[in-house]
Amino acid sequence: LAKTTQPISMDSYEGQEVNITCSHNNIATNDYITWYQQFPSQGPRFIIQGYKTKVTNEVASLFIPADRKSSTLSLPRVSLSDTAVYYCLVVLYGGATNKLIFGTGTLLAVQP
Amino acid sequence: EAGVAQSPRYKIIEKRQSVAFWCNPISGHATLYWYQQILGQGPKLLIQFQNNGVVDDSQLPKDRFSAERLKGVDSTLKIQPAKLEDSAVYLCASSGRVAANEQFFGPGTRLTVL
Repeated sequence: LAKTTQPISMDSYEGQEVNITCSHNNIATNDYITWYQQFPSQGPRFIIQGYKTKVTNEVASLFIPADRKSSTLSLPRVSLSDTAVYYCLVVLYGGATNKLIFGTGTLLAVQP
Repeated sequence: EAGVAQSPRYKIIEKRQSVAFWCNPISGHATLYWYQQILGQGPKLLIQFQNNGVVDDSQLPKDRFSAERLKGVDSTLKIQPAKLEDSAVYLCASSGRVAANEQFFGPGTRLTVL
């Protein structure tokens, strides 16, 4: 069963680029990697998803190396409102059964 | 578009009591998930429904937890009897596809067991 690990916390300043890495050894060949953002007292919110190489949307980029044993969420020019917990999510496809495994989360603190 | 609705938002019970949580997913979403999130941890999947059928309930403590999704729309998660370690936020999410791509989460129900 694939497991994920993330740094517990990270600090940054407004306007900086932040990179959060998730390690997921033993990921199955057909796993997607998804990232979510969670604010206190709210449910997680989808940020981005990818399978390999690089994916970019309007809020973030996701980098996945060829061996797919890790992934890096990149947030460009963070602001105070980006202070939140960020989770990676590994999806295992096993026929009709999906195994969803969230990481322990990374608390990003953005300071002025 | 309305989001995922959950109720109640907060619940306090004593151990050995019973409790039920309700979830209304986004209209048209066939896949529904229940997660348990203990303070300081990532969400843990308890059960996944596809319409009204169970796709995965391998992490659901079936001796005390039960869930149903009648008619493939709303869902109820029940705990009977509750233990102290069940104190957590219970999150409901829905997705428009079987593949767990973009999930939409509700605000959660915070359960405290005394």
